[in-house]
Amino acid sequence: QVQLVESGGGVVQPGRSLRLSCAASGFPFNIYGMHWVRQAPGKGLQWVAVISYDGSNKYYADSVKGRFTISRDNSKNTLYLQMNSLRAEDTAVYYCAKDPSTGWLNGFDIWGQGTMVTVSS
Amino acid sequence: QSVLTQPPSASGNPGQRVTISCSGSSSNIGSNYVYWYQQLPGTAPKLLIYRNNQRPSGVPDRFSGSKSGTSASLAISGLRSEDEADYYCAAWDDSLSGWVFGGGTKLTVL
Repeated sequence: QVQLVESGGGVVQPGRSLRLSCAASGFPFNIYGMHWVRQAPGKGLQWVAVISYDGSNKYYADSVKGRFTISRDNSKNTLYLQMNSLRAEDTAVYYCAKDPSTGWLNGFDIWGQGTMVTVSS
Repeated sequence: QSVLTQPPSASGNPGQRVTISCSGSSSNIGSNYVYWYQQLPGTAPKLLIYRNNQRPSGVPDRFSGSKSGTSASLAISGLRSEDEADYYCAAWDDSLSGWVFGGGTKLTVL
C-alpha cells in the first residue's frame, strides 16, 4: 500500500544539525512532488518545504530558508530534510507528504506518521 | 498568526450540520485552490477536500467544500462522534511562494 515513513528525529542542541528521511513505497516516487510539513506541540500545521519530482524546483518557508535543505534520491525512493542551525522554535513533529502532481501546487494527498524533533540544551 | 483565518472552535449535536470558515486574501485563496485536512487526535492529517470542493475516494459525502472570492468553507452534515477532530484549510500563496495553513478549528460533537 501507499506509505511514507519518516525517521531521523530526536533531541538536538540549539545550533546543531539533523537530517530527516522519508522512505516512500507503494507508488512511483519519481513522478511526484514531495513536501515537509511540521507541527509544534499543541499547535497547528506549518508548511516547511517542497521539492518537485525531479528535484529541479524547491521552495521553502521563510522561517527555514537558508537553514534547511530539501532533497530527494529517486533511486532510493527517499526524501530528505537537512536541518542546520536548529532553534528551539524548530521543535515539532515533522511530516513528509506527497503532492498528487509532479510539482508543488496540488496539496498533500498522502502523509507519513511523523517524526519528532526536539531542540533543547 | 496564521495567514489563513479559521475559528478556533466549532461544535454541534449529532446529526446537525456545521460549517467551518477559512478567510484569506487575493494571493492565496483568491487565486488558488483550497484544500481541507482532518486531523484526528494523535494521528497524522488526512486529505478531506481538494481543489475547493472535490472529495477523495473514501471520504463520505457528508463532507463538502466551497469557495467564494477570498473565503472558503467546509460543511459537515449529519454530524457524528467520529468527526471530532481538528480541521485545517490550506492554499498556495503566490506572494510567499509557499503553502499557508489556517490555524485549525477544533470540532466538538456535543
